Amino acid sequence: EAQVTQNPRYLITVTGKKLTVTCSQNMNHEYMSWYRQDPGLGLRQIYYSMNVEVTDKGDVPEGYKVSRKEKRNFPLILESPSPNQTSLYFCASHGQAGGRQYFGPGTRLTVT
Amino acid sequence: GENVEQHPSTLSVQEGDSAVIKCTYSDSASNYFPWYKQELGKGPQLIIDIRSNVGEKKDQRIAVTLNKTAKHFSLHITETQPEDSAVYFCAARGTGGYQKVTFGTGTKLQVIP
Repeated sequence: EAQVTQNPRYLITVTGKKLTVTCSQNMNHEYMSWYRQDPGLGLRQIYYSMNVEVTDKGDVPEGYKVSRKEKRNFPLILESPSPNQTSLYFCASHGQAGGRQYFGPGTRLTVT
Repeated sequence: GENVEQHPSTLSVQEGDSAVIKCTYSDSASNYFPWYKQELGKGPQLIIDIRSNVGEKKDQRIAVTLNKTAKHFSLHITETQPEDSAVYFCAARGTGGYQKVTFGTGTKLQVIP
């Protein structure tokens, strides 16, 4: 089954404690993205990747890092989380420029 | 960059009635307009899309219309059912190397049985 998986689904952490949210897709897609979803703001892109070792900033990249060492994986790293990063995070992938995006189930992060 | 506005933010309809959600975009070069449905606790799922060379597209009870001149597009759901209750997002994709997708702010649709 074609899918995008994220882990963990829920995470509560404290300010400053480094964390990683994993994302994996089984569709051999070149393109992967991370979004955050906040009430009234829709989905905003954090980072994206066009292929292995090729990443770039989206609209709200501050406080986040990503890496793309393998085609299937695209982890999101928060080196020093802050309360304003409390949000619902989605990973997405698509197979070609302009192709249909597939979203993961989301990770709800709370930073206290 | 692209800016997508979506209205209304909430919409309540009686079961069987129609629902319409409207979006406008700013970048006249945008050429692809997908609509996503997000059910509670899940990620967004594509339900229909339209490209800039088409004015209307229909899939059973769902239709999307595009007015390129006015830079707006709409989602129409007919004969609504309780399972249509969800948050709906419109989006616009521009041209260029990465073809970034910009999302609207979402519409929470409630279908009242």
